[in-house]
Amino acid sequence: IQLTQSPSSLSASVGDRVTITCRASQGISSFLAWYQQKPGKAPKLLIHTASTLQSGVPARFSGSGSGTDFTLTISSLQPEDFATYYCQQLNSYPYTFGQGTKLEIK
Amino acid sequence: EVQLVESGGGLVQPGGSLRLSCAASGFTFSTYTMNWVRQAPGKGLEWVSYISLSGDAIYYADSVKGRFTISRDNAKNSLYLQMNSLRVEDTAVYYCTRGPPFFDPWGQGTLVTVSS
Repeated sequence: IQLTQSPSSLSASVGDRVTITCRASQGISSFLAWYQQKPGKAPKLLIHTASTLQSGVPARFSGSGSGTDFTLTISSLQPEDFATYYCQQLNSYPYTFGQGTKLEIK
Repeated sequence: EVQLVESGGGLVQPGGSLRLSCAASGFTFSTYTMNWVRQAPGKGLEWVSYISLSGDAIYYADSVKGRFTISRDNAKNSLYLQMNSLRVEDTAVYYCTRGPPFFDPWGQGTLVTVSS
C-alpha cells in the first residue's frame, strides 16, 4: 500500500491553520497514524486510528478521514510545530509511511 | 517511564554484519509486539521488520528479506536485529518501536554506516 502526502513542503506563519493530506493507494479503513519528527529526534506519535489524539498531544492537532483519504490539521500553528510530519498505514504489512511533509516558518 | 534504548550501531564495510539491540523498560515487554524502522540520512521513514509476542510471526521489508533477522528475548526485555550482507544503502538510523496498532514509543535510534 502506497501513501502519498501533499504537499511535500509547506511554509506557514505562527497562528496559521494548516492541513496536510495523505492518500492511500487502496482502502485502509481507519488504520492510519500521524507522526511529528524534529531534526535529530525520533518520530513522535500524534494521532492514531485516523482521528484519535494521542495522550499529551495538544488539542490544536486533529485528524480525519477513512478509506483512502486522510487529513492532519493544525488549527493554530505554534513555533514548536515546525517539523516534518509523516502518515503511516497500519492496515497490512509492510506498514508503509508517506514521504513526509516538511513544515517551515514563513 | 516507558523507554526504548537502541545500541550496537557503528561503521561496517559492505558485506559485513552488525547486531543491533533494543532494551525496553517501564512496561511489560512480553505483552507487546515490536518493530524496527530505519531512516536513511535526509530521507523518510522505512519500516524494516516486525516480531510477534513470542516470535512465532515475523515480517520483513522486501529490501532486507534474507539478510536481516529480527528476534527478541522476553526474559531480558530485549529486541534484536541481526544484519548480514550489509549494503551501502542500509546506511541509516535504526529505531526500535512498540506496535501496532500504532508505533509508540520510539527509541532514540542508533546509526549504522555501511562504507568502505
